[in-house]
Amino acid sequence: EDKVVQSPLSLVVHEGDTVTLNCSYEVTNFRSLLWYKQEKKAPTFLFMLTSSGIEKKSGRLSSILDKKELSSILNITATQTGDSAIYLCAGNAGGTSYGKLTFGQGTILTVHP
Amino acid sequence: DAGITQSPRYKITETGRQVTLMCHQTWSHSYMFWYRQDLGHGLRLIYYSAAADITDKGEVPDGYVVSRSKTENFPLTLESATRSQTSVYFCASSVALAGVGEQFFGPGTRLTVL
Repeated sequence: EDKVVQSPLSLVVHEGDTVTLNCSYEVTNFRSLLWYKQEKKAPTFLFMLTSSGIEKKSGRLSSILDKKELSSILNITATQTGDSAIYLCAGNAGGTSYGKLTFGQGTILTVHP
Repeated sequence: DAGITQSPRYKITETGRQVTLMCHQTWSHSYMFWYRQDLGHGLRLIYYSAAADITDKGEVPDGYVVSRSKTENFPLTLESATRSQTSVYFCASSVALAGVGEQFFGPGTRLTVL
């Protein structure tokens, strides 16, 4: 059974801090790792990672995949209150499970002013 | 409206009743998915569909039924609702060949079973 585990489960920081969110996965026929941000509504897409060691970056957010360690990290620098959300990672399986995502429990990030 | 929509957005029902949650997408995406989200569990896949008339079970399918007669619609039915099915339900879609890619989520349906 595919499994994705995120840590920490919750994190409280102050504006300006840098945070690192962790995601480890055990996904059969692994194809990609996706990160989503969820505020008080539907998850919205952040990154998709397929190749190990290549950093994806968008503004203050960046993410990298380590296929050897079966893990990924999401970094947020100079955090703002608007970064407060649940961050979800998901592993995408290939083969007969093509298209299926297995999500982690999520990391609840709270950024205080 | 373009995109992916769900209805109703909120639903309260009683144990034993049948409930159908609707999902409609305008992108003609081949893949569609139903998830439930509960505290401490993240998003869990209930059912998914690769195309019209092709559906398959996800991680937590028991107590749910789906159909996909048209590409754009993917209704989820709770045949006899139970309190444990109280949850937030998200529908999602993804383009064909993007099985490795992004899924677009609907706004969610908050279901309460009394």
